[in-house]
Amino acid sequence: KAGVTQTPRYLIKTRGQQVTLSCSPISGHRSVSWYQQTPGQGLQFLFEYFSETQRNKGNFPGRFSGRQFSNSRSEMNVSTLELGDSALYLCASSLVQGANINYGYTFGSGTRLTVV
Amino acid sequence: GNSVTQMEGPVTLSEEAFLTINCTYTATGYPSLFWYVQYPGEGLQLLLKATKADDKGSNKGFEATYRKETTSFHLEKGSVQVSDSAVYFCALSDPGGGADGLTFGKGTHLIIQP
Repeated sequence: KAGVTQTPRYLIKTRGQQVTLSCSPISGHRSVSWYQQTPGQGLQFLFEYFSETQRNKGNFPGRFSGRQFSNSRSEMNVSTLELGDSALYLCASSLVQGANINYGYTFGSGTRLTVV
Repeated sequence: GNSVTQMEGPVTLSEEAFLTINCTYTATGYPSLFWYVQYPGEGLQLLLKATKADDKGSNKGFEATYRKETTSFHLEKGSVQVSDSAVYFCALSDPGGGADGLTFGKGTHLIIQP
């Protein structure tokens, strides 16, 4: 079966712009989580969506937002981009809400965002 | 809050050498523990997991034992191969249901030389 698909794979944006990233989970998975990966901070949890509702949120400013559609596909939006937003953004899907040990997460390959 | 500490590397070994990557954690209660692996240009893949004290997770020759007394989850492999070269992440999930998602260590870059 198809894995977690993230588009686009690479993106270059200018400071001050906004960007939207997309994630299609594994068929049947209803939970989608987003993580930011940078060399300095490592992997950090952004937020989780389940049944079209944001269930959990990490410690990121309001410029970072997301949504989930009825087919479980999710988008993440970053407004007023800053140089420090340059990162690999990873999406993970799961059957159920939360980092549940019994179901686990399946990660996509990520979107590499570069802000110049 | 929860935290995970692991050696960052790079760790360079020869093929067939014994591997240990240390991981210690700070958390309340009994978190679930994971090792993920990331190959170049790819996302994270779950390598193994453990849910309670003294549990041993294992997969593809890798093993890790949940040690509550030392709050550790060290990754080991008896004989590494060049194909094991990757970045390895130790992570934990809050026992309350993962409201804060997974908490990851900084990752250990492993390089295996032929």
